[in-house]
Amino acid sequence: ETGVTQSPTHLIKTRGQQVTLRCSSQSGHNTVSWYQQALGQGPQFIFQYYREEENGRGNFPPRFSGLQFPNYSSELNVNALELDDSALYLCASSQGGLGLDTQYFGPGTRLTVL
Amino acid sequence: QQQVKQSPQSLIVQKGGISIINCAYENTAFDYFPWYQQFPGKGPALLIAIRPDVSEKKEGRFTISFNKSAKQFSLHIMDSQPGDSATYFCAASNDYKLSFGAGTTVTVRA
Repeated sequence: ETGVTQSPTHLIKTRGQQVTLRCSSQSGHNTVSWYQQALGQGPQFIFQYYREEENGRGNFPPRFSGLQFPNYSSELNVNALELDDSALYLCASSQGGLGLDTQYFGPGTRLTVL
Repeated sequence: QQQVKQSPQSLIVQKGGISIINCAYENTAFDYFPWYQQFPGKGPALLIAIRPDVSEKKEGRFTISFNKSAKQFSLHIMDSQPGDSATYFCAASNDYKLSFGAGTTVTVRA
């Protein structure tokens, strides 16, 4: 059984650019959630995808968007990057569809916006 | 708006001692309460979790105590070891998302 993987590990962008982060869910999991973790804080929920549909969204602007593929892997896209977008972006996968089951996190992608 | 309040922000404990971290919540719809452990540069790893129909759950050296009426829950780490030095997050959920506390950095001194 493989765990949750994310790519890239680190990324440096400049303000105004766009970025795409990728996540492969744990084997057998059909739900992917994305979180933003600023330095020294707890993760904040961005959105969740279940069977390629957005299942819920946190308090993030529309320039944060996502996608889930038929193999349940997922992408997080952020447009018009701002300095405050610098954070660790975490992907978590779970099994069970609508409603929450145990979420398993990947190692994260560290995004730095200059 | 922090839906889960966690304290203390940091604590130092001697090897073999007990670490206690407390969390409080307001949303009575929360129905799942996990604790995560995070090491620097890594993603959070699930440590132990509890549902509100249970008042206590123990797994090895880790115990969750849950007080539904007070809307509080806590993590006890018994016989703390240097390898337990990490940041611990409580979380709560209903439906689809986890709401995390701000985290507690635990340092275990040998």
